[in-house]
Amino acid sequence: KQEVTQIPAALSVPEGENLVLNCSFTDSAIYNLQWFRQDPGKGLTSLLLIQSSQREQTSGRLNASLDKSSGRSTLYIAASQPGDSATYLCAVKGNQGGKLIFGQGTELSVKP
Amino acid sequence: KAGVTQTPRYLIKTRGQQVTLSCSPISGHRSVSWYQQTPGQGLQFLFEYFSETQRNKGNFPGRFSGRQFSNSRSEMNVSTLELGDSALYLCASSLESGTNEKLFFGSGTQLSVL
Repeated sequence: KQEVTQIPAALSVPEGENLVLNCSFTDSAIYNLQWFRQDPGKGLTSLLLIQSSQREQTSGRLNASLDKSSGRSTLYIAASQPGDSATYLCAVKGNQGGKLIFGQGTELSVKP
Repeated sequence: KAGVTQTPRYLIKTRGQQVTLSCSPISGHRSVSWYQQTPGQGLQFLFEYFSETQRNKGNFPGRFSGRQFSNSRSEMNVSTLELGDSALYLCASSLESGTNEKLFFGSGTQLSVL
């Protein structure tokens, strides 16, 4: 059974700092991995999707990497801003079906 | 292009009642999936529909059901509500099912069961 873990559960950093969020999964047989952002009381916004054959994806100040063999992904945020404050979730899609398995998320707070 | 629309935004029900939530996917998207989000369990998959057919189902009791219409709009129903059903219910859509596509989520329906 696939399990997804995100560490840390919460993170507070000063504005301008570069930071890394971690995601680990127990079953390396994944179809893809997605990183989402969720603002309080809102839905999820997809940030990056990494296919199983890819090693990383980049969008603006965000870079996500994937190491299937070790069951790990990282989301790197460069030059953090207060507007980046949100909960970040990673989710994996297994080889069967469209079901996403989510981690519990990392709540990020960027202080001005 | 309009995003995923979920109605209603908030619902308050009492134990034993039933509830129906609605989701309109992005125009042209044929896959709709539902997730339940609670502080304790996080996000859990309920079911996925594609072209009016249920493709996948999560580990939820039979009180949770859904359907998809020919225009891809979807509804989910929860019968005999329990206190533990209080949650944010999120709907997501994508063009196809089982592909490398991003999911687009709605803002959710916040259900409170009293």
